[in-house]
This record gives sequence, C-alpha cells and structure tokens, in this order.
Amino acid sequence: DSGVTQTPKHLITATGQRVTLRCSPRSGDLSVYWYQQSLDQGLQFLIQYYNGEERAKGNILERFSAQQFPDLHSELNLSSLELGDSALYFCASSVGGRFVHEQYFGPGTRLTVT
Amino acid sequence: AQKITQTQPGMFVQEKEAVTLDCTYDTSDQSYGLFWYKQPSSGEMIFLIYQGSYDEQNATEGRYSLNFQKARKSANLVISASQLGDSAMYFCAMREGMDSNYQLIWGAGTKLIIKP
Repeated sequence: DSGVTQTPKHLITATGQRVTLRCSPRSGDLSVYWYQQSLDQGLQFLIQYYNGEERAKGNILERFSAQQFPDLHSELNLSSLELGDSALYFCASSVGGRFVHEQYFGPGTRLTVT
Repeated sequence: AQKITQTQPGMFVQEKEAVTLDCTYDTSDQSYGLFWYKQPSSGEMIFLIYQGSYDEQNATEGRYSLNFQKARKSANLVISASQLGDSAMYFCAMREGMDSNYQLIWGAGTKLIIKP
C-alpha cells in the first residue's frame, strides 16, 4: 500500500458527461501528479500541483482540469467525455523538492466511457 | 524522438533465472534520474529502484539492481533469482533536471512472464 488513495476505483459513464476523480496524497507529501494510461498512448503525464499551486503541465486536454485543495487532496475533472478518454487515471505523490526522487502511485481510477 | 526506449515488448523467463530488462534514454540534461516501476495485472504502479545521473554506484534494492551505463545512455533493470510474482509490466521512466517541478517521461513497458 503506497499510502496514496484514489476514488472511485471504477467509473462508467456516457459520452458528453463530466466526472471528477479524487486523490489523497501520502501524509506529508506536497506534490500531486496526474497521469493517464491508455492502450494506445501508454503513460502520459497530465499535470502537477505542489502545495496548492500548478507547477507543471503535460499532455492535458482543455476539457480536463485539476486543482489541489488546502488539505492537499486533488481532483481531476474530465468534461465532455469522449470514447478515447477511457483509460486508467493515476494520481501520484511525492514530498517534492530537489533531492526527493520517487513518486508513489495510487491504485488508479479506471474510467470507461460508453 | 523517443526519450525512453524499451525495446522488449515481452519476455519469457524461467523461474529462478536472472532477467535483464533493457532501457535506453535520450536527454541533453546533465542532471536527471531514472526509475523503474512494476505494474502487476492488478494495475497499481510500484516503485522499484532509482538511479541519479551523478550517482557513481549502480543502485540496488534487494533482488533489483540497475545497470547504469551513462556513456551508452542505458539503465537496464536486473532482477536476480526471478519469482513467479515478478510477472508484470515493467516501466522505465526518466526525470529531467533536478527541479522540484518535474514530470516522469515513460517508456512503453516490457511485459515479463516468469515460467514455472
């Protein structure tokens, strides 16, 4: 158990809908990262937050947004969903900082868009 | 251009044998880090081992070691005495720079199957 929690574990929804994925980082971790893992694109970095502020942005679509709250939990919002958004969405956390290396991953949320 | 290349889509290895999973990388940064993660069929991503570009010794963690050849830009994962539970996808990833704001760049993964 990495200490990172994600809810829900599975989500099935229809095209055009909006969903929110939630992540709670490990105790003491300030950085939260979101990744998308799909069969055709592999693992893709979406976005990073550090202590409530957006710090890095990757291949995140405009239909997707995220935030990190004062209690450090984070939410990833996916809107106007398309079939191609079906994927496993991971949240990872790390302490953050120059000499900290590994990111610890949550169990993921498997999103199926029908 | 691919930043992380894992050339072995799949591997079959006999139980108790050692296995080497290949990873080559491409970066112009002097400071970077290389990671290996394991993803079993259950889906979670498990951190295995880390090697920093300035680390002089190859990283080791239990049965895992990283064969780091900087000049060749390779960071192969070696699993000694493989076990059935090692069957999983293995991903190599790179962190460029040592800034606190970093993202991991991932390889396509290698599916390792351990045969009894």
